[in-house]
Amino acid sequence: AQSVAQPEDQVNVAEGNPLTVKCTYSVSGNPYLFWYVQYPNRGLQFLLKYITGDNLVKGSYGFEAEFNKSQTSFHLKKPSALVSDSALYFCAVRDKPASASYDKVIFGPGTSLSVIP
Amino acid sequence: NAGVMQNPRHLVRRRGQEARLRCSPMKGHSHVYWYRQLPEEGLKFMVYLQKENIIDESGMPKERFSAEFPKEGPSILRIQQVVRGDSAAYFCASSPRLAGGYNEQFFGPGTRLTVL
Repeated sequence: AQSVAQPEDQVNVAEGNPLTVKCTYSVSGNPYLFWYVQYPNRGLQFLLKYITGDNLVKGSYGFEAEFNKSQTSFHLKKPSALVSDSALYFCAVRDKPASASYDKVIFGPGTSLSVIP
Repeated sequence: NAGVMQNPRHLVRRRGQEARLRCSPMKGHSHVYWYRQLPEEGLKFMVYLQKENIIDESGMPKERFSAEFPKEGPSILRIQQVVRGDSAAYFCASSPRLAGGYNEQFFGPGTRLTVL
């Protein structure tokens, strides 16, 4: 079964420092991987996705993620954190049921990012 | 092009009442997915519907929960006789007509249900 893990419940980083939010996955077949962000009491916002191609994926708001097949990881990164980046971040993986033509999305438990001024 | 719309954004119900959550997919999308986010947890798949058909309800609780996506109008997630454990954020996503490859899902803002 497809699964995704986010080993850190909470990440704290000082404003201006680089940030990394970790994600590892377990899938059969080629992975389709995503990052979403959820601001307090708001909906999900799509950040970026990896389907194929370059291992470094660039997304919204200056975020990027690196796909590492050998380590089955898809860590989210940003060179310089902003206080406004403080939010809940979800890594997700595509789950395509056998013989199905549709997709489901499996989400990790989320990592709360706090950027300290 | 408006995104996925959900209403109400916030819903308060007392135990035993019914909750109806609505989702209007993006224009041109005919596939709807419902996810539930319990407090301090990630989103969990509940059900996938096409117009007038439930395709996959493997994530739906066996009792009190139902979903529909009629030919006309929004998709409805209905929770009968709500209990405190139903308090959660319910997210809807839609995708366009299925094609080869990945069918991207676009998420709505969610409905936050509070059961008193």
